[in-house]
Amino acid sequence: GDSVTQMEGPVTLSEEAFLTINCTYTATGYPSLFWYVQYPGEGLQLLLKATKADDKGSNKGFEATYRKETTSFHLEKGSVQVSDSAVYFCALLDTGFQKLVFGTGTRLLVSP
Amino acid sequence: NAGVTQTPKFQVLKTGQSMTLQCAQDMNHEYMSWYRQDPGMGLRLIHYSVGAGITDQGEVPNGYNVSRSTTEDFPLRLLSAAPSQTSVYFCASSPLGSNTGELFFGEGSRLTVL
Repeated sequence: GDSVTQMEGPVTLSEEAFLTINCTYTATGYPSLFWYVQYPGEGLQLLLKATKADDKGSNKGFEATYRKETTSFHLEKGSVQVSDSAVYFCALLDTGFQKLVFGTGTRLLVSP
Repeated sequence: NAGVTQTPKFQVLKTGQSMTLQCAQDMNHEYMSWYRQDPGMGLRLIHYSVGAGITDQGEVPNGYNVSRSTTEDFPLRLLSAAPSQTSVYFCASSPLGSNTGELFFGEGSRLTVL
């Protein structure tokens, strides 16, 4: 079945550092891809998405590009802030319509 | 702007006890679902519903029951709790047919089974 693999965490960075969180997927066809973010004590919320190959999703300074050739959707941000500390989940929308398949999540800790 | 509301936020049960986690949404979403979140395993789908009177199993349905008598409510029942059901549970909803993949999540219910 469809699956998502994320890099293990936690990822610990200083403020203003560059962030990359790796995500690769296995799926039949070309699913839509997503990054969700979970701030402490809250539910998940959609951060960005891409629906077809070479699409770039972006939001709040975060970006991710749908790479069909490497089946990847890595999350990047040029300069992280303390407020970006959260758990980030990569996900895909499988052919079962609105059944999101999530990765295991990557915790990001940003220190001042 | 209530969105998706889950109750209770925290619950401690003894093995064998039963309980219901409540989920209500005020966005008139047809699709509702329950996930559990466990360390190192991400979110796994328990049950979902595409409308009142319609439910289906997800990836990990054993030990859980659901019903959908109204569009707004989607309770999750544990009939005989087990320590393996210690987890954080999230309810999520979305409009059916939007096909955007965007789910709206509640704040979660942390359940501990002793």
